Amino acid sequence: EDQVTQSPEALRLQEGESSSLNCSYTVSGLRGLFWYRQDPGKGPEFLFTLYSAGEEKEKERLKATLTKKESFLHITAPKPEDSATYLCAAMEYGNKLVFGAGTILRVKS
Amino acid sequence: EAQVTQNPRYLITVTGKKLTVTCSQNMNHEYMSWYRQDPGLGLRQIYYSMNVEVTDKGDVPEGYKVSRKEKRNFPLILESPSPNQTSLYFCASSRTGVGHETQYFGPGTRLLVL
Repeated sequence: EDQVTQSPEALRLQEGESSSLNCSYTVSGLRGLFWYRQDPGKGPEFLFTLYSAGEEKEKERLKATLTKKESFLHITAPKPEDSATYLCAAMEYGNKLVFGAGTILRVKS
Repeated sequence: EAQVTQNPRYLITVTGKKLTVTCSQNMNHEYMSWYRQDPGLGLRQIYYSMNVEVTDKGDVPEGYKVSRKEKRNFPLILESPSPNQTSLYFCASSRTGVGHETQYFGPGTRLLVL
């Protein structure tokens, strides 16, 4: 069964304390790995798409990487405004996205 | 402004009373989709539509119906809601299907079925 697992479920960081979020996936024929940010009471907001192992993408303090079994979202020197739930989703052959449950990130000043 | 809109944003109803949640996008996207989000389970796809008059089941379609008569609209219909359909619902759209395309999400509809 296709599955996407995110860890940790929740993460508390001090401002400036870098860390990584993990997304492991087991889907048949990965076509893409998506990262989204979701703020309370809002819909997910697209961050990155990764298509092949070894690929990396960056946006401000965020950097996403992909291996054959997992993806990491690295957060460098986070700020309180980076606090949100981060979702990853794996796209399999066909037109279906399988989402993970998310990691709740809290950054304290 | 490019956006996906949903109405209503909040809805409280009773078991068995038919309801419709509307979704509209102004980006001329072909692909539209409905998800439900429950604590600890993440987003699960209910139905999706590749284009007008083309719809297909996602992971959790039971108890839901959809229609796609116009490109911009993709309503979600609950013919006989039950308490286990209490959830946060999101509509999303993308230009040409999920493959290689970013999905844009609406603001969500929070539904409570008593």
